[in-house]
Amino acid sequence: QSALTQPPSASGSPGQSVTISCTGTSSDVGGYNYVSWYQQHPGKAPKLMIYEVSKRPSGVPDRFSGSKSGITASLTVSELQAEDEADYYCTSHAGSYIYVFGTGTKVTVL
Amino acid sequence: QVQLQESGPGLVKPSETLSLICTVSGGSISGYYWSWIRQPPGKGLEWIGQIYYSGKTDYNPSLKSRVTISVDTSKDQFSLKVTSVTAADTAVYYCARHSKTAWYAFDIWGLGAMVTVSS
Repeated sequence: QSALTQPPSASGSPGQSVTISCTGTSSDVGGYNYVSWYQQHPGKAPKLMIYEVSKRPSGVPDRFSGSKSGITASLTVSELQAEDEADYYCTSHAGSYIYVFGTGTKVTVL
Repeated sequence: QVQLQESGPGLVKPSETLSLICTVSGGSISGYYWSWIRQPPGKGLEWIGQIYYSGKTDYNPSLKSRVTISVDTSKDQFSLKVTSVTAADTAVYYCARHSKTAWYAFDIWGLGAMVTVSS
C-alpha cells in the first residue's frame, strides 16, 4: 500500500485560503468516505481536524473544511491565521482494516 | 479525559527487538480499537497496526512479518514489539485511539516516544 500523495508545501497570507490535496487510488481514497486530516505542530502529536471526508470534531474551527472528488481529497483552511502554520497529513481507510497516510504538507503563513 | 502515554527504551541495538507500552488513563481500554503509528525524524506518519480490546489485530502489510501488538485489559495497556530492527526503524512512536463516533479516525494520541536504533 503506497502513501497517499500530498504537495510538500503550501502557503498563504493571513486572511487568505489554502487548499491541500491528497491523491490516492480507488482502493483507498476513491473507495471509501473515510478520509481524515491531522494537524501537527513541530514536536507535537497530530490532532484530528477532519473525519469522514468533511466532518469536523467538536472544537475545530469552521475555517477548516474537507471534500473529496474521485481519488483526490482536499483540505481547505480559510481565513488563515498564524497558528495554522503546521504540517498536515491525510489518511484513508484502505480496506481490510488497513490505513494509509499521506506524505504530508507543510503549510506556511506568510 | 482520556490520556495515552507511551513508555519503553529509547535506544535499541540493531537486530534486537523494540518494545513499547501504551498506558490508557482517565478511561478504559475496553470497547475501542487502538493503533500504533510511527514517524521517522523529519518524515511522515506510518500506520503500524491496530488491536481491538478483545485482542483482534490488523497490521500494515509492509511490517506484518516483524510486528506484534498485544493488549492487557487488566492494566489498560497495549504493547508493540518490532523484531530485527534496523536504523530504518528509528522514529517517534505514537499510540492512538480510534474514535467510536468519527469512523476510521484517530481522536486521541499519546505524546510519542522517540526510539533510536543504534549500536
